[in-house]
Amino acid sequence: NAGVMQNPRHLVRRRGQEARLRCSPMKGHSHVYWYRQLPEEGLKFMVYLQKENIIDESGMPKERFSAEFPKEGPSILRIQQVVRGDSAAYFCASSPQRVGQPQHFGDGTRLSIL
Amino acid sequence: EDKVVQSPLSLVVHEGDTVTLNCSYEVTNFRSLLWYKQEKKAPTFLFMLTSSGIEKKSGRLSSILDKKELFSILNITATQTGDSAIYLCAVALNTGTASKLTFGTGTRLQVTL
Repeated sequence: NAGVMQNPRHLVRRRGQEARLRCSPMKGHSHVYWYRQLPEEGLKFMVYLQKENIIDESGMPKERFSAEFPKEGPSILRIQQVVRGDSAAYFCASSPQRVGQPQHFGDGTRLSIL
Repeated sequence: EDKVVQSPLSLVVHEGDTVTLNCSYEVTNFRSLLWYKQEKKAPTFLFMLTSSGIEKKSGRLSSILDKKELFSILNITATQTGDSAIYLCAVALNTGTASKLTFGTGTRLQVTL
C-alpha cells in the first residue's frame, strides 16, 4: 500500500533552467496539494488540484510556476527559469474525496539552485 | 489573514520527561486542527481534532482541542530519543470537500539521553 510518491528526491538546477517535480497520490486519493518549505520555515500552501482541475492556486507565485494533475499520470509542479530563491523542499500531499479526511505527505523533493 | 502559532519554537528535554507543545490559531471558518511529526522527510500524520474537549490518544502521545480559546496541545509522556523531531500544527478550513492546510512554523523537540 504505497504512500504518496514524489520524485526526484533531490534535484539540482542552474539558474534559468526548468524544474519538474512529480507526485503520485496515495491509491484511492483524488485530491493533490503542493506545499513549499523554506529553510527554518513552516510549510506554505501553493496549490490544490483534482484530476484535470486546479481548485485553489492562491499560494502559487504568479509567474514561472504552474501545476497540473492530468487524467492519466502524476501531478506535476513546474518551475520555469529557476532562481536561487526557489531553493526549498517541495512537498506533495493527497487526500481522498470524502470530506474532512487528513492529508498524507510524500517525502518531498529538495530543489537546489546553483 | 489566517494564522497558526506554535510554542515553544524549540525544546530540549531528557529521556523520560513529559512535554507539552502548544498551538494557537486565528482563522475564519475552522474545520479541523491536525498534528504532524516531521523527521528528516515526510510529515507523518498524528492526530486530527474537530471537537472541543475530546482527547485523542495514541500510545504516549495525546492531544486535545479548545475551540473556545482557539488552541490545542500535544502531550508526549515518557519521551524517548525517537521522539526527537519537528512537530507541526496545521488548521484546515471549512471550504467544500477539501481545503489547504495552514501550518505553524513547528516546535523542534530534542530528547537527550
